[in-house]
Amino acid sequence: DAGVIQSPRHEVTEMGQEVTLRCKPISGHNSLFWYRQTMMRGLELLIYFNNNVPIDDSGMPEDRFSAKMPNASFSTLKIQPSEPRDSAVYFCASQPPSTGAETQYFGPGTRLLVL
Amino acid sequence: DQQVKQNSPSLSVQEGRISILNCDYTNSMFDYFLWYKKYPAEGPTFLISISSIKDKNEDGRFTVFLNKSAKHLSLHIVPSQPGDSAVYFCAASAVDYKLSFGAGTTVTVRA
Repeated sequence: DAGVIQSPRHEVTEMGQEVTLRCKPISGHNSLFWYRQTMMRGLELLIYFNNNVPIDDSGMPEDRFSAKMPNASFSTLKIQPSEPRDSAVYFCASQPPSTGAETQYFGPGTRLLVL
Repeated sequence: DQQVKQNSPSLSVQEGRISILNCDYTNSMFDYFLWYKKYPAEGPTFLISISSIKDKNEDGRFTVFLNKSAKHLSLHIVPSQPGDSAVYFCAASAVDYKLSFGAGTTVTVRA
């Protein structure tokens, strides 16, 4: 299995632009997570999907952030408009059904820089 | 506010010696604790975990200790090897899926 796939791996954009991050979870996994990593706060859960349905979006910073999961094999995290404080590494993770948190598999991350 | 704290951003240890990483938490509802390891340009990978009903869990060179009264856990790596150089994240869970992470500790193992 190729693992969790994220694209792009690096993104540099200017303030005000729209940014879309993409994730392909591991086949058969029914839970998907978006995390953001910063130096100060470590990894923060942004949103959690189960069976393509958003279950917990309490970590989404503000209305500029949105996430979708149109099917079991694809999810997007969109930032519109982007701001310099959004610069971070964004991870997607997926988890098989009926398992604990230790089975969350993380993708390699997208490093976002907003100028 | 961060509920899981790793107060040491970095740790340097000589190969063969013990590495001790510390983690403190504030939420008394946390009942499951995990450590993740992360190499550059990769996502975190699960290393070891412990349930709140235990105070120690061992897996090879890695041991996690939990002190519930102090709301403190630690990860011991013995002996430390060069391949252990990575960022280590402490995480805690009160709800099945939701992990709260610390900011991470960067471990450097010197030859």
